[in-house]
Amino acid sequence: EAGVAQSPRYKIIEKRQSVAFWCNPISGHATLYWYQQILGQGPKLLIQFQNNGVVDDSQLPKDRFSAERLKGVDSTLKIQPAKLEDSAVYLCASSLGGDTQYFGPGTRLTVL
Amino acid sequence: GDSVTQMEGPVTLSEEAFLTINCTYTATGYPSLFWYVQYPGEGLQLLLKATKADDKGSNKGFEATYRKETTSFHLEKGSVQVSDSAVYFCALTSFGNEKLTFGTGTRLTIIP
Repeated sequence: EAGVAQSPRYKIIEKRQSVAFWCNPISGHATLYWYQQILGQGPKLLIQFQNNGVVDDSQLPKDRFSAERLKGVDSTLKIQPAKLEDSAVYLCASSLGGDTQYFGPGTRLTVL
Repeated sequence: GDSVTQMEGPVTLSEEAFLTINCTYTATGYPSLFWYVQYPGEGLQLLLKATKADDKGSNKGFEATYRKETTSFHLEKGSVQVSDSAVYFCALTSFGNEKLTFGTGTRLTIIP
């Protein structure tokens, strides 16, 4: 069974530029999560989707971050404009709806 | 709100030493508890979990027991190997909420 796919794996941009990350969850997983992991910290949930609906986006900085999961399968997370403090690893995870979440390899973003 | 406090790192041990990584939590109700591991260059992987008090999760020689009375979920292994070198994250989900709340992670290095 294929795992959670993410791309790109690495991205370097300058502040005020925009960037987008893509995630394809495990086939059949209805729930999809985006986490932000700043260096030296644990991952923090940004947004949770159930199929194509948002369950929790309370921690998403909505003035600059957006996410969508239009067909209830893959998802994109966008940052526009980026700030220096957005430098982090962005993790996508999926689950069938139970406790266990399966994580992708992450996208490491560096904002200069 | 929910929180997880994890033993500060980094931790360096010799091969075949006994390992303990401490984890305590604060949560409403009865959370599910997890240990995730992140090997160099890889994504987060579920190591073990426990969903109710006194449950013991185990995998790959690692164990952790859900202690409600001390709100703890310490990770242990009797004899570590070089291949166990990784970052270990303690995490929880609260009842009715699939969002994972993570600790800050503990970097473990095993020297031959």
